[in-house]
Amino acid sequence: DADVTQTPRNRITKTGKRIMLECSQTKGHDRMYWYRQDPGLGLRLIYYSFDVKDINKGEISDGYSVSRQAQAKFSLSLESAIPNQTALYFCATSARYSRGSSYNEQFFGPGTRLTVL
Amino acid sequence: RKEVEQDPGPFNVPEGATVAFNCTYSNSASQSFFWYRQDCRKEPKLLMSVYSSGNEDGRFTAQLNRASQYISLLIRDSKLSDSATYLCVVNVANRDDKIIFGKGTRLHILP
Repeated sequence: DADVTQTPRNRITKTGKRIMLECSQTKGHDRMYWYRQDPGLGLRLIYYSFDVKDINKGEISDGYSVSRQAQAKFSLSLESAIPNQTALYFCATSARYSRGSSYNEQFFGPGTRLTVL
Repeated sequence: RKEVEQDPGPFNVPEGATVAFNCTYSNSASQSFFWYRQDCRKEPKLLMSVYSSGNEDGRFTAQLNRASQYISLLIRDSKLSDSATYLCVVNVANRDDKIIFGKGTRLHILP
């Protein structure tokens, strides 16, 4: 089983709809992240959380919100989707120090491809 | 100056050749460094960490030059399966332990 899972894997929605993307991890990491990736723009950080009670904005948080329901779950919401939020979304986890991993090495989920019409 | 800069490529390299990428970073407080590999429409995966003393893993060698603030990745005897985008990643040592991704360098290995 994958260590970091994302649901759904693909989603097509319409402008104005509320969308939730979910991420779960079995790695036991305390840190979780949401990124979006657009062609030519690389990975951009939306939100990150260092533990259940810690939520921080990334560089492009406008139009998004998150919820850290448990150490293993971190969801991303688009309250009112718009076409320029069409992108590939990745969840990632890390730990400062973890056996068998480099310092703060990020482990990514398989991604969610979101299309907003 | 961008925090992490990479040549976007693409680098078109014949199979069996050696190819090298550089990545420059602007924050002198950068603490740890990585190379990730990303295949088309897939998630990034760690290729190797970059240590101060440099490190080698098979055909891949990574180097760090703190004085000039760059890291490098060398791929020897390139294979068709090496075709991918290579992301330079820098971890800045501050309260937020900020992780910064470069936009990636695309590599195409030609048969």
